[in-house]
Amino acid sequence: DGGITQSPKYLFRKEGQNVTLSCEQNLNHDAMYWYRQDPGQGLRLIYYSQIVNDFQKGDIAEGYSVSREKKESFPLTVTSAQKNPTAFYLCASSSGTAQDTQYFGPGTRLTVL
Amino acid sequence: GQNIDQPTEMTATEGAIVQINCTYQTSGFNGLFWYQQHAGEAPTFLSYNVLDGLEEKGRFSSFLSRSKGYSYLLLKELQMKDSASYLCAVNGKTNAGKSTFGDGTTLTVKP
Repeated sequence: DGGITQSPKYLFRKEGQNVTLSCEQNLNHDAMYWYRQDPGQGLRLIYYSQIVNDFQKGDIAEGYSVSREKKESFPLTVTSAQKNPTAFYLCASSSGTAQDTQYFGPGTRLTVL
Repeated sequence: GQNIDQPTEMTATEGAIVQINCTYQTSGFNGLFWYQQHAGEAPTFLSYNVLDGLEEKGRFSSFLSRSKGYSYLLLKELQMKDSASYLCAVNGKTNAGKSTFGDGTTLTVKP
């Protein structure tokens, strides 16, 4: 089955620790995206990548980092510089053309204690 | 930049029809998406409009007016399972495939 996976579903970390969220897709999509969603709000773009070995900052990139070494994988690191990291993180992928919908993973809920 | 506005909350009765509006202001336009998101889950695709007019898909329809920067999602024969958040998202002409999302409209369907 083709799809996009994120792990883990729930993640707890102590304040000051870096944490890496996994995102893998086997849809052969060129583009991948990371969003953050806070309660009662929409999705805000953190980083996106339109092709392997290239990525761009989104609207709220501060305190986050990514890599895109493989087409299938786009991990997101939440660093200690992120002031308020507790949120629901969603990864998505698409073919990269403007008319193509994004397919979302199940999300990771990160809680920083 | 891009700005997208949707009502925060709506309530409707099972079996009824509800219209969720979305207005947008963008520096370019290359399509508008509607997604459905149940609480704690990922958004799922509902519809895509790039030309003016109505797109119908079963109980759901979506309308677009590019000149007015306006779209709506129409849900007919509402069911309890339609209770969810509905997200409007716009693709600008730059950065193909990159969508800007509205804050979503939380729809509650009551018996």
